[in-house]
Amino acid sequence: KAGVTQTPRYLIKTRGQQVTLSCSPISGHRSVSWYQQTPGQGLQFLFEYFSETQRNKGNFPGRFSGRQFSNSRSEMNVSTLELGDSALYLCASSPMGRGDTEAFFGQGTRLTVV
Amino acid sequence: DQQVKQNSPSLSVQEGRISILNCDYTNSMFDYFLWYKKYPAEGPTFLISISSIKDKNEDGRFTVFLNKSAKHLSLHIVPSQPGDSAVYFCAAREGFKTIFGAGTRLFVKA
Repeated sequence: KAGVTQTPRYLIKTRGQQVTLSCSPISGHRSVSWYQQTPGQGLQFLFEYFSETQRNKGNFPGRFSGRQFSNSRSEMNVSTLELGDSALYLCASSPMGRGDTEAFFGQGTRLTVV
Repeated sequence: DQQVKQNSPSLSVQEGRISILNCDYTNSMFDYFLWYKKYPAEGPTFLISISSIKDKNEDGRFTVFLNKSAKHLSLHIVPSQPGDSAVYFCAAREGFKTIFGAGTRLFVKA
């Protein structure tokens, strides 16, 4: 069974640009969550999608948005990039996204904003 | 507003001894708690979880303890092995939202 796939693995963007990151969940998983990891801040929750609907959202500005497609693949978009957006962006998939079911993480996309 | 706190950024333990990683939370609505391990250049991997209605869950060398009155949980690793050296994240779930702590880096010395 293939794991969670995130593309691209590394990305360098300039301030003011926008970026789209992609996440393909494990087959059969309908919940996809996105996290931002920065040194000392742990994993900050961005949003969670289930069956193409955003069910929950973290405390990030509106420049951060996402969507989920009918095949459960998800994309995350960041517009008007700032230097502080440099981070590792992780996505995680799970069958239903609740309860004690574990989430499976991808390797992440390392975004550097210069 | 940090709802899940891991106050120790790092911990160093001798091989064979017990590692105890701590986590505090503020939201009494959390219904599940999970621990994840992360190696460099990899995504976090699930270790063990516990429901809020239990106080202990054990899986091999890993045991998680939950003290609801103190809003505190801990992960015990016995015996610790050099391969356990990684960053450990505590996470708490409320419905569809999972909140992670900042992580504790564990060093197990041979």
